[in-house]
Amino acid sequence: LAKTTQPISMDSYEGQEVNITCSHNNIATNDYITWYQQFPSQGPRFIIQGYKTKVTNEVASLFIPADRKSSTLSLPRVSLSDTAVYYCLVGDPDILTGGGNKLTFGTGTQLKVEL
Amino acid sequence: DAGVIQSPRHEVTEMGQEVTLRCKPISGHNSLFWYRQTMMRGLELLIYFNNNVPIDDSGMPEDRFSAKMPNASFSTLKIQPSEPRDSAVYFCASSFRLVYNEQFFGPGTRLTVL
Repeated sequence: LAKTTQPISMDSYEGQEVNITCSHNNIATNDYITWYQQFPSQGPRFIIQGYKTKVTNEVASLFIPADRKSSTLSLPRVSLSDTAVYYCLVGDPDILTGGGNKLTFGTGTQLKVEL
Repeated sequence: DAGVIQSPRHEVTEMGQEVTLRCKPISGHNSLFWYRQTMMRGLELLIYFNNNVPIDDSGMPEDRFSAKMPNASFSTLKIQPSEPRDSAVYFCASSFRLVYNEQFFGPGTRLTVL
């Protein structure tokens, strides 16, 4: 089961780009990298998922180097409303052949955005 | 779609009482997950179902916990008897087909056991 390591907290200011890096040294061949966002008193919300290179959607970008041992979530021009906990997860997306590889949320990164 | 629906949103009960939490997944999703979140332990996966069948319940902490999914639109998590250490926010999530990395979470049930 691939473990992940990410910073406990990060601070930023409105309008800046924020990059949160996650380490996953023992990622398996079938594993994908997924990021979730959680606001206080709410359930986590899926942000982005990728396998290699770069993935971009309307919310964020995900950069994955060739060795896939780390990944970086990039949030362009953050605002106060981006203050949340961000979780990096690694796992096989196939619920059955994943061999019971349960997604582990870990402690996440608390991002605080200020004016 | 209304998203994942959980009830009740808040539950306060006394130690020893039975607690039942309910979840309605997003229509068309065939995988359902129950999580528990506390400050100390973070977000823990308790059990997940695929096509109403429990696939992995190794995260269920004790025999006091049980979960059922009688049909595709309803699931329950029961704690009997409840204990103060069960106090937490319980989330239900669902996903489409077998791609369970992209889960849609409900608003959660905040359980307080006195």
